[in-house]
Parts: sequence; C-alpha cells; structure tokens
Amino acid sequence: AQTVTQSQPEMSVQEAETVTLSCTYDTSENNYYLFWYKQPPSRQMILVIRQEAYKQQNATENRFSVNFQKAAKSFSLKISDSQLGDTAMYFCAFERNNDMRFGAGTRLTVKP
Amino acid sequence: DSGVTQTPKHLITATGQRVTLRCSPRSGDLSVYWYQQSLDQGLQFLIQYYNGEERAKGNILERFSAQQFPDLHSELNLSSLELGDSALYFCASSVSGGEVDNEQFFGPGTRLTVL
Repeated sequence: AQTVTQSQPEMSVQEAETVTLSCTYDTSENNYYLFWYKQPPSRQMILVIRQEAYKQQNATENRFSVNFQKAAKSFSLKISDSQLGDTAMYFCAFERNNDMRFGAGTRLTVKP
Repeated sequence: DSGVTQTPKHLITATGQRVTLRCSPRSGDLSVYWYQQSLDQGLQFLIQYYNGEERAKGNILERFSAQQFPDLHSELNLSSLELGDSALYFCASSVSGGEVDNEQFFGPGTRLTVL
C-alpha cells in the first residue's frame, strides 16, 4: 500500500523568507499524481500544486514550487516570499486510481 | 469557493445514532469522493462514486455507506455512531473517473460530533 510521510509536524518561517516542506512516499507504481494541499484555519482544503509522475519538470505555481525526485520518492514544497496568509496546515498527497493517500501534515506558521 | 456544497455544516448527535451527510458536486463533475479527517487517523479516503456507481473504496467502515443519485449528488450514511466517528467529513468532486487528469475539488466539510 502507498504511504505518505511528512516528517516535519511543525515549521515556522519569517515573512518574506523561503521555507521548504518535506514529503516522501512509498509506492511500486510508475504512474501516479502528487499534490500539496493547504488547510487554513477555515478547514477548507485548497489545492496548492500538483505533479504528474510521468513529467520530469517540476511544477510551479507563482510562489510555490516543488522538487520532485522520482527515484528517491521525494516531493518537497518550496514557498518563496512567505506571506502571513500562508499560515496553515499543509498536506502532501499521493493519488493513483482515485485512491488518494495523505501525509499527517505540517503546520506552517509565518511570523511577521 | 470550490463549487462543491455540503450540508449540514455541523451535526451533533449521540452514540448509536445514524446520520446522513449530503454533498452536491460541481456542475459537470461526475465523480464524488468522501474523506474523513480526524485527530487520530488524519485524512483518510473513504469511497468514490462515478456517475452513480461505486468506483473506488478506501478505509470505509462497514457501518458507513454511500450512494450517488441520478442527479449526481451523493450521501454518506453513518450508522451505529461511536465517539471515534467524530470528525470532519469532506466531499470532493472531479470531472472524470480517474483515468486521466483528474483534479479533485473539495467542499467545506461537515463537522460531526458524537456525544
């Protein structure tokens, strides 16, 4: 079974600085999707970024980018120019055949 | 706003009872997914329906069941409730059944409290 591990339960960063959240996963499959979701205090699940495993190029969405290392089964999220509104829980997720598995989450606090 | 709606927002009930959670997908989406988020289990995929039929099953208990109706809305039924069923239940929807690019859009969730 696929598992997703986020080894950083909590992180903090100063406003305007850069932070990287780690995620590793375990699978024997070759084709799958990876996601980072943000869950602010409102509890809404918001998609931050997605990566298709067959694409070698790392996905980027404005201030958010990933470092996808398929062989190492690593999928880290980099947030540049951190903003106060980035304070939230961040979940890494693996999806194949509609079965999405989430990591335990990293609570990120952006400090002014 | 994702376009996915869930009702009710909050639900408080007692152990042993049965409740029904409702989800309306985004217009045009054929797939509905149910997730449970609890303090001890984290976020877990429960079940997926595509165009009225069950497509994928995750960690769904036998006391739980779901269905998708012809108008594509879905209901999650939770019976013989236990204290440990207290959680935030999310519904998500997507256009396809998962064979191709299949972004899921999450609803705001239903907070279930079992006393």
